[in-house]
Amino acid sequence: QKEVEQDPGPLSVPEGAIVSLNCTYSNSAFQYFMWYRQYSRKGPELLMYTYSSGNKEDGRFTAQVDKSSKYISLFIRDSQPSDSATYLCAMSANTGNQFYFGTGTSLTVIP
Amino acid sequence: GAGVSQSPSNKVTEKGKDVELRCDPISGHTALYWYRQSLGQGLEFLIYFQGNSAPDKSGLPSDRFSAERTGGSVSTLTIQRTQQEDSAVYLCASSSQGTTSNQPQHFGDGTRLSIL
Repeated sequence: QKEVEQDPGPLSVPEGAIVSLNCTYSNSAFQYFMWYRQYSRKGPELLMYTYSSGNKEDGRFTAQVDKSSKYISLFIRDSQPSDSATYLCAMSANTGNQFYFGTGTSLTVIP
Repeated sequence: GAGVSQSPSNKVTEKGKDVELRCDPISGHTALYWYRQSLGQGLEFLIYFQGNSAPDKSGLPSDRFSAERTGGSVSTLTIQRTQQEDSAVYLCASSSQGTTSNQPQHFGDGTRLSIL
């Protein structure tokens, strides 16, 4: 079983829709959770960074962590064509130096 | 610039040649990571530096791969006797973390390596 599972999509939504992206994980030691956005031919760009459980909001983006279910989500409100990219989740434990990445979900927002 | 810088952005070389990939991390970031990303695949961890030391080399795929970091800053990933399966995007990331992974990583745009 992979440490982190992420549905690769592709996901296609109309402009203005609410997008929900999700990852599940198996390691209960994970404490830090990140979401990255990666445009074609670019490196991953940090979007959200959260510690432990709960919600964090930044503009149109909300990151949600449910440690009891080992499930994290990224919600994008009022999606825009410029949100079209691949979204990667990542997580790490409180010890060690390894980060574990999902394989990414490809999102297309149709104008 | 303020971000992670990688060079070259693209590299095409013949099978069997050696290649060097360079990474300039964000100034002041003590931790540096190398990853490999193949088409449709996730990020494959290669190696991690804390300062100039590499406490975790567990991801290097073979002894043809090596990396070094000097002055706690620039890092070079070297692939000797390249093979076609080495074709991928090589990403570098840096963070300000200490010995635990509690600070997020910031990535460069990668080097796209193609082996003919």
